Amino acid sequence: DAGVTQSPTHLIKTRGQQVTLRCSPKSGHDTVCWYQQALGQGPQFIFQYYEEEERQRGNFPDRFSGHQFPNYSSELNVNALLLGDSALYLCASSLSLRATNEQFFGPGTRLTVL
Amino acid sequence: DAKTTQPPSMDCAEGRAANLPCNHSTISGNEYVYWYRQIHSQGPQYIIHGLKNNETNEMASLIITEDRKSSTLILPHATLRDTAVYYCIVRVDTNAGKSTFGDGTTLTVKP
Repeated sequence: DAGVTQSPTHLIKTRGQQVTLRCSPKSGHDTVCWYQQALGQGPQFIFQYYEEEERQRGNFPDRFSGHQFPNYSSELNVNALLLGDSALYLCASSLSLRATNEQFFGPGTRLTVL
Repeated sequence: DAKTTQPPSMDCAEGRAANLPCNHSTISGNEYVYWYRQIHSQGPQYIIHGLKNNETNEMASLIITEDRKSSTLILPHATLRDTAVYYCIVRVDTNAGKSTFGDGTTLTVKP
């Protein structure tokens, strides 16, 4: 049973560029969340997708957008990259919106903006 | 979501119990306490969660005080592989996934 997978593992971009990160949830899971983790800090919630809609959003600008596909996989898009966007981007999946379900995290995508 | 406070770092001898405290004095009645850990360069890993009763699974035990204002994660026999950053978070039942992570406690297990 595959867990949460993310691609690519590492990515280097320059300021102003756009990036797309991908996530496949754990088998059977239908809810996907994205987090940004700067070096030395805890993960910060970006947004949550369920039934192909953004359900909740953290304090991130509109440059951060996402999508969820019918197979529950998800993409995170970041436009007009800034140096401060350099971070580990984590995807987490769970079953439905109920907090009592476990949330499984992927290994993350390390984004470096030069 | 309620804010949590954890010590920035702790040490533990290999084979001994590791007791990691978490303060969540503003927790609401419908908020669960969750614990995750993050080993270097990996995504966070779920450990355990609870509402008000103590919980135990194959990884750890969670002790929640009667007033629910604090909790303790217990790793009964710490190994070197338990060296990680441990995060305590609280989450409302209808807020699944929108977890607010603090900076956690860096646990170092020493031989």
